[in-house]
Amino acid sequence: AQTVTQSQPEMSVQEAETVTLSCTYDTSESDYYLFWYKQPPSRQMILVIRQEAYKQQNATENRFSVNFQKAAKSFSLKISDSQLGDAAMYFCAYRSALNAGNMLTFGGGTRLMVKP
Amino acid sequence: KAGVTQTPRYLIKTRGQQVTLSCSPISGHRSVSWYQQTPGQGLQFLFEYFSETQRNKGNFPGRFSGRQFSNSRSEMNVSTLELGDSALYLCASSLGVDSPLHFGNGTRLTVT
Repeated sequence: AQTVTQSQPEMSVQEAETVTLSCTYDTSESDYYLFWYKQPPSRQMILVIRQEAYKQQNATENRFSVNFQKAAKSFSLKISDSQLGDAAMYFCAYRSALNAGNMLTFGGGTRLMVKP
Repeated sequence: KAGVTQTPRYLIKTRGQQVTLSCSPISGHRSVSWYQQTPGQGLQFLFEYFSETQRNKGNFPGRFSGRQFSNSRSEMNVSTLELGDSALYLCASSLGVDSPLHFGNGTRLTVT
């Protein structure tokens, strides 16, 4: 079974600065997908970024980018120019490419606080 | 386009009762997944339905069940409620496997 670990329960960042959230995972599979989701107080999970394991290039979405290290099984999220609206719980998630479905395994989450 | 709609938003039940939660996916989405979120266990996958068939099932007891209707709407049922079933239940829909998951705002279930 796959596991996802987020070792930072809480992080804080000054507005306009950069912060990196860590995620490691354990799997014996070679083909899979990794995700970062954001959950604001509204409770709705929002997809931030997605990475396919077969792609060596790190995914980027505007101010959000990842550092995907397949051999180290590490998948960190970098948020640049942090904004107050970035404050939320962030979850790292794994999905097997072998499974014909949308079954995600989530990490425990990191609460990000943004200071004005 | 309307998002994923979950009803009700809040629910309070007594131990031993049963409960049904509803999820209406985004129009055109045929996959519906359910997740349980608790402070202790985090986010855990319950099950997924695609075209009215259960495609995946998580590691939950048989008290947790679900179904999907021909219009892709889904319900999940929990029978013989226990205090530990208190959680936020999230539903997510997608077009298919390679499409992103869209989550609803969840149903907060409290069991007393």
